[in-house]
This record gives sequence, structure tokens and C-alpha cells, in this order.
Amino acid sequence: GAVVSQHPSRVICKSGTSVKIECRSLDFQATTMFWYRQFPKQSLMLMATSNEGSKATYEQGVEKDKFLINHASLTLSTLTVTSAHPEDSSFYICSALTGARVETQYFGPGTRLLVL
Amino acid sequence: DQQVKQNSPSLSVQEGRISILNCDYTNSMFDYFLWYKKYPAEGPTFLISISSIKDKNEDGRFTVFLNKSAKHLSLHIVPSQPGDSAVYFCAARDMKTSYDKVIFGPGTSLSVIP
Repeated sequence: GAVVSQHPSRVICKSGTSVKIECRSLDFQATTMFWYRQFPKQSLMLMATSNEGSKATYEQGVEKDKFLINHASLTLSTLTVTSAHPEDSSFYICSALTGARVETQYFGPGTRLLVL
Repeated sequence: DQQVKQNSPSLSVQEGRISILNCDYTNSMFDYFLWYKKYPAEGPTFLISISSIKDKNEDGRFTVFLNKSAKHLSLHIVPSQPGDSAVYFCAARDMKTSYDKVIFGPGTSLSVIP
């Protein structure tokens, strides 16, 4: 199946700093990528939909100025957590669509963010 | 409010027996349902899906059953194998809202004991 990578897999940062997470589709082009957030023992919550060459669409309740998303190419989307705080500590996971069907959504392995 | 619920956070099953993972939903507009499997340190991978016009879909050892009136679906794995040990997510889509966005349940961790 299609491969999606995320970097870094784990990051620890100080409160107030910004953290960038990369999501790459390695063997296909993805016009649409999604960013999710997962708290322990909870669902993957969709944060935003990232479309190549256009502004991301954020879900209700997600601060677009805090979670900056850039989808500059067909194989790369980035999520920047700006001025991170301890409550931003979470598991962030991206996915990329390879086709029109919802089953063609391939997920990255996730990034564990810990803000001290 | 959670629209997709998986009330059992964990399940243990003996190898060779049947594993039954349950999922309930609240939104009657959901028209498509999916199950994903997730191993540690990996992203979820698509397993099987079912349209709301069907009540059963089978793929090898995996069968998904849908009961629309009860807003309930289940994933059956038979026979269960140790390699099936993973977290299983139920997900649903409302096509009228968005064609490619799905809403996930919290997951059920399955352990298949050799």
C-alpha cells in the first residue's frame, strides 16, 4: 500500500516554542491530506483538511493561528504548533488521500508531542 | 458529544476463537462505515468497510455486520490469530457533509492469546 511518513516521530519542547511536524507521501501524490489529534484513550479527532496550493480548512474549535498548516507540494504538508503549551501535548497523525474513495486514505505513523 | 462509540476499550480472545468488536453511532445520516487496524508506532490501516445499504460485508476472516435500526455495527474476526492483536478503530462518514472525511471511534485494543 501507499506509504506516508511523519517527522519527527517524537518531540519534546519547552512551553512557548514552536514545533513543526512534516507529513510526506512517499510514493504517490496527494492533493488532500488530513491532520488529526489523538488524546489518550480517545478518538482521532480531525483538526484540518489540507489541500495542495490552497488554505487549509479547519474543523470547528481548532485555532488556525495556533496550528498552522502548509501544503506546499503534492507530497508534503506541514503542521506547525505555534507557542506550544503543555495542553498541546498530544499525538498528532496525518493522512493522505490517494484517490477518490475514502478507503484510499493512508495514515502516517504519528508524532508524539510533549510540551514541558 | 461522541458520534462514534466503542464502549469496550479492550478485549482478549484465545487464538482460533472468534473476536467480536462492537461499535455504536448516533448520527443517522452516516452512510458509510469503516474499520481500521493500528499497530503500535504505526498509523491506522484500512481493514474493511460497509455501505449503509448493506447489512453484511465479508473479506476473508473479517466480516462486518451493520444494524441500521440499532445504529450498531460489529467486526467479526474468525479465526483470531496472534497477529490480529492491535487497536481497532470504527469510523463513519456522512456523505452529505463531506465525501472524504471520517469520524473515528476511540478504538478497542484486541489481544489474541496464543
